[in-house]
Order: sequence, then structure tokens, then C-alpha cells
Amino acid sequence: QQPVQSPQAVILREGEDAVINCSSSKALYSVHWYRQKHGEAPVFLMILLKGGEQKGHEKISASFNEKKQQSSLYLTASQLSYSGTYFCGTARSYNTDKLIFGTGTRLQVFP
Amino acid sequence: NAGVTQTPKFRILKIGQSMTLQCTQDMNHNYMYWYRQDPGMGLKLIYYSVGAGITDKGEVPNGYNVSRSTTEDFPLRLELAAPSQTSVYFCASSLGTPDGYTFGSGTRLTVV
Repeated sequence: QQPVQSPQAVILREGEDAVINCSSSKALYSVHWYRQKHGEAPVFLMILLKGGEQKGHEKISASFNEKKQQSSLYLTASQLSYSGTYFCGTARSYNTDKLIFGTGTRLQVFP
Repeated sequence: NAGVTQTPKFRILKIGQSMTLQCTQDMNHNYMYWYRQDPGMGLKLIYYSVGAGITDKGEVPNGYNVSRSTTEDFPLRLELAAPSQTSVYFCASSLGTPDGYTFGSGTRLTVV
């Protein structure tokens, strides 16, 4: 089942913060976060694992609430380069690692 | 190190035609995936593979077939193309958790 992301869209000025949420109705093993710029392929940002291990981007952080099956991506002091669509991808087991992607959140950062 | 290479980048097919979308990776990744992305939408998993000789269906496999004879290659076959298959197709590969996916640049397919 497809995870639900909120909000659907965010508009920011440079330097402002944003939080993007990803929620699943199923128990999860891991949550990935990707950013996709228009006309390009998605780029990996961050992975959060059941049990708390985290690996990813230096300037962006995330959390994973295992009890609620929710993840949040935190973008602080946003830059123009942060603009794009953010997708979470959820995996229910480690042995296939297949991701079901969320509905996407479009982020626009203006000067 | 080229990463994930997809060919062709663009293709127009007539209804009922068939074609193969090529995907190759040079990172020795065991896990490979095919997704489609309709305009303004998210990514839907078509097929995936956890290693050479092993493939399985994803969320939207109907109308597609795959094979994985080598670690490097994971072609996607479209049989009897339909307008509903108009989409951007992305191939991805991974070492597995905790590494993320590396995506190819995509194939934009139009069926008319």
C-alpha cells in the first residue's frame, strides 16, 4: 500500500525550514528519502532503519517513529538547490529491499 | 564508473508494437528495479530482481516482462504497447540496505 506524504506542496523563502511527513499503514523495515528535480531522475538523500540506524545527507535530517510507522524529513535553512519533489520510499523487509514510493511533496524555494 | 545506463532515452511506439528498454549497471549491485512514473505522479514498481536468474512482480506488472541473465543487465520488455503505457521508465540498482538506490536517467516512452 502506497505511503501518504504531507503536505503535497511547500513554498519557502531561502533560509526557512520545512518538514515533510511520510506515513504508512503497514509495519516498515526502512524508509528512504529521495529528491527529484524536474526532468531528472530521483537522487538518494537518506535512509532510516527500524532500530534507529540512519545514513544519508549531511545538511538534511530525518526521523522514523516505528510505533506510528511515520517518518519526517527536516530541511533547515533551505537553499535554492533544495527545490524539487521529495519522495519517501518504504520497505517492509530487508531481503528484497523493494521500495513502494509515496505520493510526493513538491518544494519550491524562492530568493 | 557509469552507474546505471538506460537506453533509449526517448521512444515513440505505435499501439500494438513491442520493444525492449535496456538497463545496465557497472556497480556490481545485486538488486535491480524497474519503475514507471506518470506525469506529476510518484513511482510505481513494475518488476524487481534480487540477483541473476531471480525476478519478481511489483505493483504494476501487467503488460511487461523482465529477465536477469547477468548481474549487470535487467531489460524490460513491453509486449503489445497500449496508450496506458505512456510514461517515463526508470531503472534503479542497489547494494541493499543500508545503501540507497541509484537511478538511471530514464526512458520517456510515448504510445500513439
